[in-house]
Amino acid sequence: KQEVTQIPAALSVPEGENLVLNCSFTDSAIYNLQWFRQDPGKGLTSLLLIQSSQREQTSGRLNASLDKSSGRSTLYIAASQPGDSATYLCAVTSGSRLTFGEGTQLTVNP
Amino acid sequence: EAQVTQNPRYLITVTGKKLTVTCSQNMNHEYMSWYRQDPGLGLRQIYYSMNVEVTDKGDVPEGYKVSRKEKRNFPLILESPSPNQTSLYFCASSLIIQGPWEQYFGPGTRLTVT
Repeated sequence: KQEVTQIPAALSVPEGENLVLNCSFTDSAIYNLQWFRQDPGKGLTSLLLIQSSQREQTSGRLNASLDKSSGRSTLYIAASQPGDSATYLCAVTSGSRLTFGEGTQLTVNP
Repeated sequence: EAQVTQNPRYLITVTGKKLTVTCSQNMNHEYMSWYRQDPGLGLRQIYYSMNVEVTDKGDVPEGYKVSRKEKRNFPLILESPSPNQTSLYFCASSLIIQGPWEQYFGPGTRLTVT
């Protein structure tokens, strides 16, 4: 059974700092990995999708990497802003399922 | 606009009163699924459907039913809701599950069972 872990569970940084969120998964036979953002009590916003054959994807200040063989992905956020404060979730697609990590709660302080 | 819609967005009900949460997608996706989100437990899959008339249990199917009679719709049915089903529910769809296809999520349904 696929298990997804995200570290750290919470992170607080000053505005302008670059930061890295980590995601690890136990079964490397994945189709893709997706990073989401969730604001409190709200829905999921898709940030980046990395296909299993890709090493990284970039969108604006966000860069996600994937090392399938080691079961790891990172989400790099450059020049963080208070508006980046949210919970970040990673999810992997494997078999016939989508499995989520529990998320990293990010707070960016002005 | 490509989207997944859910209704209702908010629902307060009483124990034992049957309810249905609807989910519809307009992208001709084959794969659809339901999740519940609870504090400290994250997002857990309830049921999924690979295509019309093909459904299967996820991690937490107890107390829920689903049907997939049409490709675009995947309703979640709670035959006899209980307070432990109070949660935030999300429906999602993708073209197919096996492959590099993005999952699209609905806006969520906040259910309270008293």
